[in-house]
Amino acid sequence: DTAVSQTPKYLVTQMGNDKSIKCEQNLGHDTMYWYKQDSKKFLKIMFSYNNKELIINETVPNRFSPKSPDKAHLNLHINSLELGDSAVYFCASSQPLGRGGEQFFGPGTRLTVL
Amino acid sequence: GEDVEQSLFLSVREGDSSVINCTYTDSSSTYLYWYKQEPGAGLQLLTYIFSNMDMKQDQRLTVLLNKKDKHLSLRIADTQTGDSAIYFCAGRNSGGYQKVTFGTGTKLQVIP
Repeated sequence: DTAVSQTPKYLVTQMGNDKSIKCEQNLGHDTMYWYKQDSKKFLKIMFSYNNKELIINETVPNRFSPKSPDKAHLNLHINSLELGDSAVYFCASSQPLGRGGEQFFGPGTRLTVL
Repeated sequence: GEDVEQSLFLSVREGDSSVINCTYTDSSSTYLYWYKQEPGAGLQLLTYIFSNMDMKQDQRLTVLLNKKDKHLSLRIADTQTGDSAIYFCAGRNSGGYQKVTFGTGTKLQVIP
């Protein structure tokens, strides 16, 4: 199936640990994103990559480091996890603007930091 | 940066029309989107409107854009229980990489 996939779907870990979330899209899109959705469902952009290059880097602690090995993959590594990092993290990719720029979202990774 | 605001909650009876409202601050927004998020899932695009349009209709969905007031609405006709979800409006700005800013989300509850 053509889609945006993320692994893992659930991640439960202790404070201070380091963890990674992986994202892959097979839609052929050039642009990928990471969003954080908090418990009140507010959705905030964290990072965006276009063709493996970082183009948007919102005010995110530098414990969060995205990596794009190729334009189909955008991974998120988080160091020294804190309680406030608990949230659902969504990966997305988008069509070119000439086709509306629609974003396609992955199913989300629910991160719980204990 | 852009702010996008929505009311947090809307409750309607099955068969009625639902109207979800959104206000945004960036008058240079080029595309405005409506996304739907069902429980435990990611967001899915419902429809979008380009900033030079006032209205767009797509089956049961009607989007109205008032650029002067920076107001966007989504009307769902004949609302069904399957429409229960959180609805996000979003605006894409006209800057270099055209960041998309999402609204606060409106939870729609459809009462059978």
